[in-house]
Amino acid sequence: GAGVSQSPRYKVAKRGQDVALRCDPISGHVSLFWYQQALGQGPEFLTYFQNEAQLDKSGLPSDRFFAERPEGSVSTLKIQRTQQEDSAVYLCASSFAAYEQYFGPGTRLTVT
Amino acid sequence: DQQVKQNSPSLSVQEGRISILNCDYTNSMFDYFLWYKKYPAEGPTFLISISSIKDKNEDGRFTVFLNKSAKHLSLHIVPSQPGDSAVYFCAATSRGGGSQGNLIFGKGTKLSVKP
Repeated sequence: GAGVSQSPRYKVAKRGQDVALRCDPISGHVSLFWYQQALGQGPEFLTYFQNEAQLDKSGLPSDRFFAERPEGSVSTLKIQRTQQEDSAVYLCASSFAAYEQYFGPGTRLTVT
Repeated sequence: DQQVKQNSPSLSVQEGRISILNCDYTNSMFDYFLWYKKYPAEGPTFLISISSIKDKNEDGRFTVFLNKSAKHLSLHIVPSQPGDSAVYFCAATSRGGGSQGNLIFGKGTKLSVKP
């Protein structure tokens, strides 16, 4: 079966542009997580969905960050008015019931 | 304030020998621990996990040891192979009280296994 996929793999945005990052989780996985990984750091939690419900968005760094999962499968992370400090790898992970989360390859965002 | 710490940024080991990667945590609420391996330009890949009710879990060449009193865990790879060269992340979570299970990661240790 297919793993978690993310698109685009790489995105270059000019400061002030809006971007949308997509995540296709493993089919049947109820839980979906977004993480941000800065260079030389471990992934840091952004937000969590259980099916279509966003149950935790405490890790979103500002109100410029918005995530949705309207039908309980595909999720989109949107960043408005991108800033240089938003440059990072954005990782999506899904899991079924256990706590082993399966990660996608990530989207590397570079804001110039 | 890092809740999960991997104090060694890098480790170099000879092929065939044992690799030991260490991880410390500060939050007593953590009750489940995981190790992920990451190759460049790929997402982290789940390797092995351990519940806080155990002190050891083994899967092939990989063994994780948990010392709750010391808030310390380690990953042993025996024997080490060149293909094991990657960045290894330690992660922790709390599963109690209906927790959603988001992971708290360390900064990673880059393992190089030399032929």
